[in-house]
Amino acid sequence: NAGVTQTPKFQVLKTGQSMTLQCAQDMNHNSMYWYRQDPGMGLRLIYYSASEGTTDKGEVPNGYNVSRLNKREFSLRLESAAPSQTSVYFCASSEATGWSHGYTFGSGTRLTVV
Amino acid sequence: DAKTTQPTSMDCAEGRAANLPCNHSTISGNEYVYWYRQIHSQGPQYIIHGLKNNETNEMASLIITEDRKSSTLILPHATLRDTAVYYCIVRPGAAGNKLTFGGGTRVLVKP
Repeated sequence: NAGVTQTPKFQVLKTGQSMTLQCAQDMNHNSMYWYRQDPGMGLRLIYYSASEGTTDKGEVPNGYNVSRLNKREFSLRLESAAPSQTSVYFCASSEATGWSHGYTFGSGTRLTVV
Repeated sequence: DAKTTQPTSMDCAEGRAANLPCNHSTISGNEYVYWYRQIHSQGPQYIIHGLKNNETNEMASLIITEDRKSSTLILPHATLRDTAVYYCIVRPGAAGNKLTFGGGTRVLVKP
């Protein structure tokens, strides 16, 4: 099925460890996004990529880096994980950043930092 | 960005229409109203959007007041599977504008 695929689905890290969250879409979308959602809260934008080769900071970029590997893939890296980064991470894609009705979200990565 | 105000939670009866209000009194002329929902533990799902005319699709209807300062999302026949958090978002439709989520309304559909 067409859509956004995130890996892994679950991850437990120790404080200070690093990891990369992977995201891939097969809808030929130009724009991709990383959000985080803390318990009981709405989603907050971490980074986004309006098109292949570009990335920009969102609302809460500190502690994260991203790579738009190609048009399909957009990865999120935590260099030194902290307990405050315990959250559910959602990747999304859209035809363009202006197409706010065309966002397709992945099923999320549940990250716990201990 | 125009901010939105939604009730924190609401209940509705299965089979009845669910009317979800949203206030956006500072909306600008070029800003659209979008609705997304998030079923427990899943990624958000697009429902509907509109600028100033009422809109309807297979999932819901969107009623926007004439002054555009508020809107209502209508789920015509709520089912248990409609239990979710519903987000009302106001954004310009132009390129470069990202989707920003507020707290939303937690809707519980009861049998």
